[in-house]
Amino acid sequence: VQLVESGGGQVRPGGSLRLSCAASGFAFTNHNMNWVRQAPGKGLEWVSSINIMGNYIYYADSVKGRFTISRDNAKDSLYLQMNSLRAEDTAVYYCVRLRGYYDALTDSQKYYFDYWGQGTLVTVSS
Amino acid sequence: DIQMTQSPSSLSASVGDRVTITCRASHDISHSLAWFQQKPGRAPKSLIFAASTLHSGVPSKFSGGGSGTDFTLTISSLQPEDFATYYCQQYNSYPLTFGGGTKVEIK
Repeated sequence: VQLVESGGGQVRPGGSLRLSCAASGFAFTNHNMNWVRQAPGKGLEWVSSINIMGNYIYYADSVKGRFTISRDNAKDSLYLQMNSLRAEDTAVYYCVRLRGYYDALTDSQKYYFDYWGQGTLVTVSS
Repeated sequence: DIQMTQSPSSLSASVGDRVTITCRASHDISHSLAWFQQKPGRAPKSLIFAASTLHSGVPSKFSGGGSGTDFTLTISSLQPEDFATYYCQQYNSYPLTFGGGTKVEIK
């Protein structure tokens, strides 16, 4: 399993950036995917999730309306379009795969983060 | 939103020590709890899911327990490579949330 993020860099407040994650070593179309970020010296923060078909999408309140997650299954790639960037969006952004399993206790399918990319740094500063 | 609270936020321990980290959820999350290890400058790595199931390739010195709102991560015999920051995370409902982390340092 390999997840390689790219597209990070420095951008001014109010600017835009598009992150990409190239997946390899597994069947990308079998997995829901996520973005998780980590501000410098801080903890982990979930950003967004997308299911296999791209028709179920979730966002953290902190990015809703500004960020858009998408995927291209033909290219085994995950994306994060980030608009109206703020200083507080400065972080390392990780691409994270979800693995599903059957939870007998709740008779439901559950998903957990199993593999992480190495991350790409986004710095929002004037 | 479900808040995840880890304790302690940091601890000092010696090689060979048994270490336990606790994680409390603000609402019942059943067994939908994962643990991650992160070393400085590196991406997090999965350790445990479903509160107590080891992720593939994770050594058995790591163990997890608990259900509902109270969970633990135990390292049975701390080794030099285990000094890192550990995070819990609930995946019972969106938004997915993490604990604040526990930094395990060398005494």
